[in-house]
Amino acid sequence: GAVVSQHPSWVICKSGTSVKIECRSLDFQATTMFWYRQFPKQSLMLMATSNEGSKATYEQGVEKDKFLINHASLTLSTLTVTSAHPEDSSFYICSARGSGRANEQFFGPGTRLTVL
Amino acid sequence: GENVEQHPSTLSVQEGDSAVIKCTYSDSASNYFPWYKQELGKRPQLIIDIRSNVGEKKDQRIAVTLNKTAKHFSLHITETQPEDSAVYFCAATLGYDKIIFGKGTRLHILP
Repeated sequence: GAVVSQHPSWVICKSGTSVKIECRSLDFQATTMFWYRQFPKQSLMLMATSNEGSKATYEQGVEKDKFLINHASLTLSTLTVTSAHPEDSSFYICSARGSGRANEQFFGPGTRLTVL
Repeated sequence: GENVEQHPSTLSVQEGDSAVIKCTYSDSASNYFPWYKQELGKRPQLIIDIRSNVGEKKDQRIAVTLNKTAKHFSLHITETQPEDSAVYFCAATLGYDKIIFGKGTRLHILP
């Protein structure tokens, strides 16, 4: 149990375009989802926390108008990188946590974004 | 907020020897400490975790110790094998709060 998927696994786009990444909990209801960004040889940096049906909470320094997060259902959260630029190229990973599962987070496989 | 420091950033050990990675945390209220292994281009995998009401936990060749007074926790890998080569992250969290990761340790197992 506790499987989280992400789509796409990788994406290449032109500068200025928008990219949407999906995160799904396949076998449990995720009341909370987290979005991380990981640059090469660095740690996971939390970007935002989203609870189903409410607005995401962004970490300091993360532009909410650039990284749009939607958590409209208990099994799906999306991250849209708007007007992507080469510096947005990174590995984006989501994680999901179910109700009654304090602490436990289950990670998706990640999405490699390359902006040309 | 929570802050997690991890050392060393790189560690090389001979195959068969033990590896130890150490972390400290700042929030004394933190009560859950997971350790993750991440291979290149893959998701972090939970390898072991410990809660604040326990001082030590072991799972085959992997063990974690927690010193709540000093706010230290450590990962111990014994009888290291080539497949143990990866990046390891410690983390700390409180209840339903977010997980805060350390900066990671790149472990190299030398033949």
